[in-house]
Amino acid sequence: QQQVKQSPQSLIVQKGGISIINCAYENTAFDYFPWYQQFPGKGPALLIAIRPDVSEKKEGRFTISFNKSAKQFSLHIMDSQPGDSATYFCAGFYNQGGKLIFGQGTELSVKP
Amino acid sequence: GAVVSQHPSWVICKSGTSVKIECRSLDFQATTMFWYRQFPKQSLMLMATSNEGSKATYEQGVEKDKFLINHASLTLSTLTVTSAHPEDSSFYICSQTGQTYNEQFFGPGTRLTVL
Repeated sequence: QQQVKQSPQSLIVQKGGISIINCAYENTAFDYFPWYQQFPGKGPALLIAIRPDVSEKKEGRFTISFNKSAKQFSLHIMDSQPGDSATYFCAGFYNQGGKLIFGQGTELSVKP
Repeated sequence: GAVVSQHPSWVICKSGTSVKIECRSLDFQATTMFWYRQFPKQSLMLMATSNEGSKATYEQGVEKDKFLINHASLTLSTLTVTSAHPEDSSFYICSQTGQTYNEQFFGPGTRLTVL
């Protein structure tokens, strides 16, 4: 019940295109949903996050769309750039114990 | 956000030896830190929650006698992998919360290779 399911596993996008990564969760106790970006050999970096009482949050080229009734949320990367090539993880924050539960990750490759 | 460092960034050791990994909070006092393990091409799996001045809380399936965690100060938590074996080879990452309880900021990770 604590799982966060993420898709696709890998994604190839042309430069300038839109990258879309989807996540779904079961646990309604999650009250915060961050997205992390990880480059090879590095720790994850917080990219953008949303609370379940908000349907959309935008920061620069990154947008989270949140559908509370469907228990789904997604990351949209507009005008994707080769520098965006990385692995992206969605997560649910489980308030009890302050735990982050991560999705499986999406390896994004943006082709020039 | 909080700035977290880890040392060493990579380590190679022989099977049966113990390895200590340090996680430091550089700009923010951290009463709670978290330790994760990440195998290649896989997600981050929480191993334990490290609490300053008290015993760590381990996730189900994580051997507390094998992965010793010490959080003796507000800026330092250590993970010691005891009697390491090749299957312990992984990327170990720590994190701490920032000014809000639900934000976690990660260190750069430590690559452990056990021969």
